[in-house]
Amino acid sequence: DIQMTQSPFSLSASVGDRVTITCRASQSIRNHLNWYQQKPGKAPEVLISAASSLQYGVPSRFSGSGSGTEFSLTISSLQPEDFATYYCQQSYDIPYTFGQGSKLEIK
Amino acid sequence: EVQLVESGGALVQPGGSLRLSCAASGFTLTNYWMHWVRQAPGKGLVWVSRIKSDGGSTSYADSVKGRFTVSRDNARNTLYLQMNSLRVEDTAVYYCARDPDFGGYSDFDFWGQGTLVTVSS
Repeated sequence: DIQMTQSPFSLSASVGDRVTITCRASQSIRNHLNWYQQKPGKAPEVLISAASSLQYGVPSRFSGSGSGTEFSLTISSLQPEDFATYYCQQSYDIPYTFGQGSKLEIK
Repeated sequence: EVQLVESGGALVQPGGSLRLSCAASGFTLTNYWMHWVRQAPGKGLVWVSRIKSDGGSTSYADSVKGRFTVSRDNARNTLYLQMNSLRVEDTAVYYCARDPDFGGYSDFDFWGQGTLVTVSS
């Protein structure tokens, strides 16, 4: 199975900050990498697919980059509604594994 | 409006069985691969199973292989997960998710609200 490792596991930031979450795959997954946001008690929502394609309706402050084994999700200017847990997921090979999650909290 | 509504979650004893359903509306189920993902209390997301748009192909996580069976009835716009020989470690919220599999790329573009399965004696 392909292992997905996110960092940091948790981070504290303020409204307006720029934050980056990284995701590393245990082998090359080309650009078959998705990012999801999950708020407490809610289902996840996709933010970015194919490493860098912003989903319809997702604010442009979210961006994704990377290929191969190294990927990142950047939020350019944090808004109050962005405090949540973020997961990367590889969709290159079954099983479609997720990272362990990165919890973004208000400082 | 696109909707996925899971049902069937319950408290069940170890070794028991449950069948989860995921009712789709607002889109044509036939056009999509579908997945099940679970999340144990306070834990992360774990992919469980997928089924091809026509039901002709299925895949499973090793942890559920041989115990869980995914199926679909496109005429009824419903996805199912038959769960047998349940274990305490199967306790989780189970989500169904839609996968457009566009251009060879998979992502879960819409999720249900989840249904809780608790396995305990």
